[in-house]
Amino acid sequence: RKEVEQDPGPFNVPEGATVAFNCTYSNSASQSFFWYRQDCRKEPKLLMSVYSSGNEDGRFTAQLNRASQYISLLIRDSKLSDSATYLCVVNGGNQFYFGTGTSLTVIP
Amino acid sequence: DVKVTQSSRYLVKRTGEKVFLECVQDMDHENMFWYRQDPGLGLRLIYFSYDVKMKEKGDIPEGYSVSREKKERFSLILESASTNQTSMYLCASSRPGTNQNIQYFGAGTRLSVL
Repeated sequence: RKEVEQDPGPFNVPEGATVAFNCTYSNSASQSFFWYRQDCRKEPKLLMSVYSSGNEDGRFTAQLNRASQYISLLIRDSKLSDSATYLCVVNGGNQFYFGTGTSLTVIP
Repeated sequence: DVKVTQSSRYLVKRTGEKVFLECVQDMDHENMFWYRQDPGLGLRLIYFSYDVKMKEKGDIPEGYSVSREKKERFSLILESASTNQTSMYLCASSRPGTNQNIQYFGAGTRLSVL
């Protein structure tokens, strides 16, 4: 079983739409959780950390459910510039475990 | 800002060549990582290092070795490059033991082995 599983998509949504991604992880001892964004042919960059209490950064909201071992990312009012691949990342000890990424295309 | 620098953005090598990929970070991070990323497979960990001269195998170490002689530098070595090592290679660093152990990535090296 993979450490981290994501729906690869692709998600194709119109501008202004709300879109949600989910991710599940297998190790209940995981310590830290993140969403990264990766543009085509570029490196992954941290989008936001994910806390149990939930956290929001502008149009982006991340949630962690430790009991069910899943992480979510909600993007409101999608912009063309949100088109990218979104990676779910889980940290345990010294290692990081990556989902394969969810592809998002925002259409004009 | 953290900066992770990979020595080359693009490399073309021939089968059987020895290939060195260099990575330097400027934030005094203890941990450094080498991944490869292939379509449909996501990021796969090759090796990581949690201290100078220390290394740990990741999920796919076969055909690779690493060197960490200085804290800021982590090198990935392909002893005899093969065509199935054509990939995007990403270096990352992090500082463990903090509340949020965040990984920072270099820009990547796109390696083609012919």
